[in-house]
Amino acid sequence: RKEVEQDPGPFNVPEGATVAFNCTYSNSASQSFFWYRQDCRKEPKLLMSVYSSGNEDGRFTAQLNRASQYISLLIRDSKLSDSATYLCVVNMQGNTPLVFGKGTRLSVIA
Amino acid sequence: DVKVTQSSRYLVKRTGEKVFLECVQDMDHENMFWYRQDPGLGLRLIYFSYDVKMKEKGDIPEGYSVSREKKERFSLILESASTNQTSMYLCAIEGTVNSPLHFGNGTRLTVT
Repeated sequence: RKEVEQDPGPFNVPEGATVAFNCTYSNSASQSFFWYRQDCRKEPKLLMSVYSSGNEDGRFTAQLNRASQYISLLIRDSKLSDSATYLCVVNMQGNTPLVFGKGTRLSVIA
Repeated sequence: DVKVTQSSRYLVKRTGEKVFLECVQDMDHENMFWYRQDPGLGLRLIYFSYDVKMKEKGDIPEGYSVSREKKERFSLILESASTNQTSMYLCAIEGTVNSPLHFGNGTRLTVT
């Protein structure tokens, strides 16, 4: 089983739509979780951290489900500028390098 | 604002050449990382370093080496470049708990 799995997409959604991505992780002892955004031919940038209590930042909501070992990212009222690849990132254990999912590609269409 | 600088944005090298990719940070962080990113394969960790003169192998170290002589600089070395090392190379440093990795803007290397 891969450590961090994401549906690669692409997710093609119209402007204004709500879209959700899930990411599953294999290690139940994983400690911290993040969503990164990567635009085409650019470096990944932190979108938001994922806390046990959930995290909301404007149109973006991230949630953690430890029992089922997945995190989610919900984007409401999608904008054209949301088109990007979204990377799920997990700290599996202590001071070890973060593990990246392969990313989910989102295209928001006018 | 955190700054991670990679020396070249685009690089073209010939097979067999020795290639140096440089990464410099201005935040005095111990942890530095080198990744490569390829379509369909995602980000893969090549090497990382937790302090000066320390290095650890990542998931795909074969064909690469690294150097960390000063805290702010972490170099990735391709001893003898091959065409399968054509890729986007990303350097990263570890930031705060809530912003765990800051990336440089990447070096797109083409080996012909």
